[in-house]
Amino acid sequence: KAGVTQTPRYLIKTRGQQVTLSCSPISGHRSVSWYQQTPGQGLQFLFEYFSETQRNKGNFPGRFSGRQFSNSRSEMNVSTLELGDSALYLCASSSALKRGGLDEQFFGPGTRLTVL
Amino acid sequence: DQQVKQNSPSLSVQEGRISILNCDYTNSMFDYFLWYKKYPAEGPTFLISISSIKDKNEDGRFTVFLNKSAKHLSLHIVPSQPGDSAVYFCAASGRGGATNKLIFGTGTLLAVQP
Repeated sequence: KAGVTQTPRYLIKTRGQQVTLSCSPISGHRSVSWYQQTPGQGLQFLFEYFSETQRNKGNFPGRFSGRQFSNSRSEMNVSTLELGDSALYLCASSSALKRGGLDEQFFGPGTRLTVL
Repeated sequence: DQQVKQNSPSLSVQEGRISILNCDYTNSMFDYFLWYKKYPAEGPTFLISISSIKDKNEDGRFTVFLNKSAKHLSLHIVPSQPGDSAVYFCAASGRGGATNKLIFGTGTLLAVQP
């Protein structure tokens, strides 16, 4: 079974631009979560999508948005990029079949975004 | 406010010895605690978890201990191997079922010296 894939792997943008990152979950997985990793901050939760609906959101400004398609693929968009948005963006997928228990998440390799 | 904290940014251990990685949390409502391992240029991979109703979970060389009264958990790796060198993240999960949101610590870089 193929793992979680993210495209592109590396991206360089300038301040003020916008960017779209893509995540393809493991086949059959219905939940996709996005995280931002920066030095000193660890991984911070951005949002989670399940069945094309956002079901949880972290503490990020409205410039960060996402969506999920009917095939469970997900995109996240960052508008009006700032220098501080430079980070590794990770997505994770899970089957979301366990109710009340732990739903293991599988991470992709990430997209390294550099904002100049 | 950092709800999950890993106060040691790095740890160096000799091959064959025990590695102990520590994690503290502030929210007593967390349901599960997890450890992830991350190599450069790869995503984190799940290592081991523990439910908040347990105090120990063991899987091969990896054991996680949970001390709820101290809001502290630790990951023991015995014996440590050079291939264990990576960044280790502690994470916590809220009440399960409705969300997959994980709250991560800032990570500890483990270096296992041959």
